[in-house]
Amino acid sequence: DAMVIQNPRYQVTQFGKPVTLSCSQTLNHNVMYWYQQKSSQAPKLLFHYYDKDFNNEADTPDNFQSRRPNTSFCFLDIRSPGLGDAAMYLCATSRDAAGGTKTQYFGPGTRLLVL
Amino acid sequence: DAKTTQPPSMDCAEGRAANLPCNHSTISGNEYVYWYRQIHSQGPQYIIHGLKNNETNEMASLIITEDRKSSTLILPHATLRDTAVYYCIVSSTMDTGRRALTFGSGTRLQVQP
Repeated sequence: DAMVIQNPRYQVTQFGKPVTLSCSQTLNHNVMYWYQQKSSQAPKLLFHYYDKDFNNEADTPDNFQSRRPNTSFCFLDIRSPGLGDAAMYLCATSRDAAGGTKTQYFGPGTRLLVL
Repeated sequence: DAKTTQPPSMDCAEGRAANLPCNHSTISGNEYVYWYRQIHSQGPQYIIHGLKNNETNEMASLIITEDRKSSTLILPHATLRDTAVYYCIVSSTMDTGRRALTFGSGTRLQVQP
């Protein structure tokens, strides 16, 4: 089945130690998104790629970066994780087409723990 | 994006229909209504979406009022596995990809045995 895959499902890192989360998709969607979801809160968009075009949300900290080497893969890099960055990180994809509704499909998420 | 208002929590008996309301009084003409749900510790799952007409799929039905200022998601026969947080979201289809879903607080649906 076509899907959005996130690895790992759980990631533990140390305070200040760079960490990379990965997302891959077999849907061949042209848009990929990264959301942050803290405990008991709704998901919050960090940034998204429209094809190769990177779109950052205004309030996303500089500590968060992203890379999209090809259509299928997208990475979230946290350069210096702080305790406040502990959260679930969700990757989503959508196919932007004329007249389309941009329905997003989410991966299972990676839960990040910062020690 | 238009703002949505949902009750924070609801209960439903197993086997009964669950009706989840959503207000989106500032929705504009080209904005779709989406429903997603999130089961504990999983990614959000797409349920259904609509523009003006009522919609039905294998998971649920979506009833949109004629003025489009509110909608109701109906799970016809709720099961324990439907216990989740349900998000009602509106998102424009006119943009070329610079918008995404803006999640509100959602409704926590608890299906009771």
